[in-house]
Amino acid sequence: NIVMTQSPKSMSISVGDRVTMNCKASQNVYNNIAWYQQKPGQSPKLLIYYASNRYNGVPDRFTGSGYGTDFTLTINSVQAEDAAFYYCQRIYNSPNTFGAGTKLELK
Amino acid sequence: QVQLQQSGAELVKPGSSVKISCKASGYTFTSYDMHWIKQQPGNGLEWIGWIYPGNGNTKYNQKFNGKATLTADKSSSTAYMQLSSLTSEDSAVYFCARGARWDYGGGFAYWGQGTLVTVSS
Repeated sequence: NIVMTQSPKSMSISVGDRVTMNCKASQNVYNNIAWYQQKPGQSPKLLIYYASNRYNGVPDRFTGSGYGTDFTLTINSVQAEDAAFYYCQRIYNSPNTFGAGTKLELK
Repeated sequence: QVQLQQSGAELVKPGSSVKISCKASGYTFTSYDMHWIKQQPGNGLEWIGWIYPGNGNTKYNQKFNGKATLTADKSSSTAYMQLSSLTSEDSAVYFCARGARWDYGGGFAYWGQGTLVTVSS
């Protein structure tokens, strides 16, 4: 089964900083990756699909990149409302495995 | 607008079963897969499986074979997940989410609000 490994597990960032988080697939998933944001007590929200396509209404400070096995989510000029958990997921083919997540905290 | 409305919280006894629902509206129910996802307290997201209501086809995460059973009722546009032989490890929030390969590559743009299942004697 495919394994999605996210790093780091957590990070503490100041408002206005640029943050990069990673997702590594155990096998080639081409560009079939999505990224989600989840805040406590809420359902996850789709940010990025096909590795680099921003979902409707997602601010352009969120950027996804990568292909094959290594993927990155970058947030430029982090805002206070970006404090959340971020998950990557293999899409298009099953199993639609999620990574364990990265917790983004604001200093 | 697309909505996925899940059933309410459940308190169930160890060894029993529970069936939770996800009522879809605002789109053609039979044209999209319905996925189910587990989230234990303080933990990440775990994909359980999907059902295609159009023909009832299902696909499961191997880990949930024998634990979860996915069904769908086309007449009421409702997807169901039954969990059997419940233990404390099944205590979690369960989400339904809509997906289709041709729709955002199968990314989950729409989610239910989650159903909390607590297994306790």
